[in-house]
Amino acid sequence: GENVEQHPSTLSVQEGDSAVIKCTYSDSASNYFPWYKQELGKRPQLIIDIRSNVGEKKDQRIAVTLNKTAKHFSLHITETQPEDSAVYFCAAWFTGTASKLTFGTGTRLQVTL
Amino acid sequence: DTGVSQDPRHKITKRGQNVTFRCDPISEHNRLYWYRQTLGQGPEFLTYFQNEAQLEKSRLLSDRFSAERPKGSFSTLEIQRTEQGDSAMYLCASSLGSSGSGNEQFFGPGTRLTVL
Repeated sequence: GENVEQHPSTLSVQEGDSAVIKCTYSDSASNYFPWYKQELGKRPQLIIDIRSNVGEKKDQRIAVTLNKTAKHFSLHITETQPEDSAVYFCAAWFTGTASKLTFGTGTRLQVTL
Repeated sequence: DTGVSQDPRHKITKRGQNVTFRCDPISEHNRLYWYRQTLGQGPEFLTYFQNEAQLEKSRLLSDRFSAERPKGSFSTLEIQRTEQGDSAMYLCASSLGSSGSGNEQFFGPGTRLTVL
């Protein structure tokens, strides 16, 4: 079935360090992979996404890499800041029996001073 | 505010009661999605509409759940005979076209349901 696994579930880094969150997906036909940031009590907000015809995408301090062969994608945040502290969700668009976005279980990122 | 809005933001009900939530998507968006999010988990897909047509329903959506989007604009999600297990945040999202084509889903603030 459609499945997205996300690791780690919690991540603590010092301000200025890099953070990496990894996800794997089950359906090789998946073609769209967004990352959402959700602050406490707030709605999920898209921070970056990638389509399957691209291997890497970067937006300032945030980058996403995609390995279609291995069916995994990763979020990289460089020069982390306290305002990066939040829960991050990866997701994959599945096109099998149901076309839908399936989310990972989330990574709670804590950036400490 | 031209984003996705949801009403109410919080709902407390007793087990066995019916509840209805409303979602107003971004005006030009033809796709509208409902998700459920429980503590410590990612949003779980429930159903989606393209205009007024309900195109997908998750196995999570039991017979007690029904969703409508009668005019292709706002949508309602009704839960009949609520159970304590229905307690969750119900999120609505909308997009201009399919996410399979790379279209972003914009989320609303959610309706937090507590069933006592």
